[in-house]
Amino acid sequence: SAVISQKPSRDICQRGTSLTIQCQVDSQVTMMFWYRQQPGQSLTLIATANQGSEATYESGFVIDKFPISRPNLTFSTLTVSNMSPEDSSIYLCSVEEDTYEQYFGPGTRLTVT
Amino acid sequence: GESVGLHLPTLSVQEGDNSIINCAYSNSASDYFIWYKQESGKGPQFIIDIRSNMDKRQGQRVTVLLNKTVKHLSLQIAATQPGDSAVYFCAENVSGGYNKLIFGAGTRLAVHP
Repeated sequence: SAVISQKPSRDICQRGTSLTIQCQVDSQVTMMFWYRQQPGQSLTLIATANQGSEATYESGFVIDKFPISRPNLTFSTLTVSNMSPEDSSIYLCSVEEDTYEQYFGPGTRLTVT
Repeated sequence: GESVGLHLPTLSVQEGDNSIINCAYSNSASDYFIWYKQESGKGPQFIIDIRSNMDKRQGQRVTVLLNKTVKHLSLQIAATQPGDSAVYFCAENVSGGYNKLIFGAGTRLAVHP
């Protein structure tokens, strides 16, 4: 499977600031996804990011709060804007290889103080 | 340590025993299912998948069973080892439109020597 890396691996940020998380894949993939995993919880899809098109956001997530870029087939970024303590979570990117199979990066652990 | 799995149901087993982790999925239109393993501080790791036209699939030490009648999925781990200790998530792909995985709540597996 593809090797997926994320930067930063963790960060502590002050409320009101923004953080951009990077996701890099070692092969070209069409579909990339961003998830949030709140403390002790399961994974919730934030948005689907396809190269060359606007990201598709799930209910409860909006572009102003979580802008996403997908400039090419190996890279994507997720920005968490105007952060509050409720945004403290693990943010994960994933890629789809064969039909429906998704593989995940190691995650970015965000703490907002 | 990480907070993944702190509030999840826990299955405790003795090393060497077989483990069965259950999952009830939500959508009768789901056509593809994945089991993920998430260790502390890591992203979810793909374990095994099954398509809706099958009711059983085996991997190395793992078996997934699918019962579409009652919308139930299970993961069986043979000869459970301490390295199997983790949080396990089932995920379903809802067919139609673009690919989207919906994750279950997760189960923490604790293996005792």
